Amino acid sequence: QSALTQPASVSGSPGQSITISCTGTSSDVGGYNFVSWYQQHPGKAPKLMIYDVSNRPSGVSNRFSGSKSGNTASLTISGLQAEDEADYYCSSYTSSSTHVVFGGGTKLTVL
Amino acid sequence: EVQLVESGGGLVQPGGSLRLSCAASGFTFSTYTMNWVRQAPGKGLEWVSYISSSSSPIYYADSVKGRFTISRDNAKNSLYLQMNSLRAEDTAVYYCARDFSLAAFDIWGQGTMVTVSS
Repeated sequence: QSALTQPASVSGSPGQSITISCTGTSSDVGGYNFVSWYQQHPGKAPKLMIYDVSNRPSGVSNRFSGSKSGNTASLTISGLQAEDEADYYCSSYTSSSTHVVFGGGTKLTVL
Repeated sequence: EVQLVESGGGLVQPGGSLRLSCAASGFTFSTYTMNWVRQAPGKGLEWVSYISSSSSPIYYADSVKGRFTISRDNAKNSLYLQMNSLRAEDTAVYYCARDFSLAAFDIWGQGTMVTVSS
């Protein structure tokens, strides 16, 4: 059981927008603006896509955006492209002893 | 080029020990906090451990607390993970990762596979 809850899968057609949710508690997502999102292609290391809820690292497409409301963070990908098909993970700082928690991951399928 | 390269993985029997290393290059290693993150085959990411730039504080996931020890040598630009009392459930690819912001990892190594099996 992961500390943060994500849907197991989402799908969308090229050009469409999709949103992936990440639900935690007031001890992690809801209590701090330290939510990150990662993209992982099969057999590859994860890639940071969003940090501090809504910031994009240099080089990440502006088609990726992040937001947060209460205990739920969201990743939105607009203008879906075939290359976006991957697993996506959220993570958050937590005030518990574990320091960092990940979501269980969401498989994005581009139809 | 900013890079992290892990080594030290392999096959080990339950109850055994293994020491992972992560060599950093292309950035000032001593100024960054670092982490270990693992991924069991076909499963999601699991944060394992954190170490500050000065080696204090240090944090561990509950699943490895008391068995794993994280350390670093800033003079050698290296991060380590000493893993003792290994269990089958520790089988995973282990990644070292650099902190970009709190709990945001911007640079990852390629990973090293640890298999715990008799």
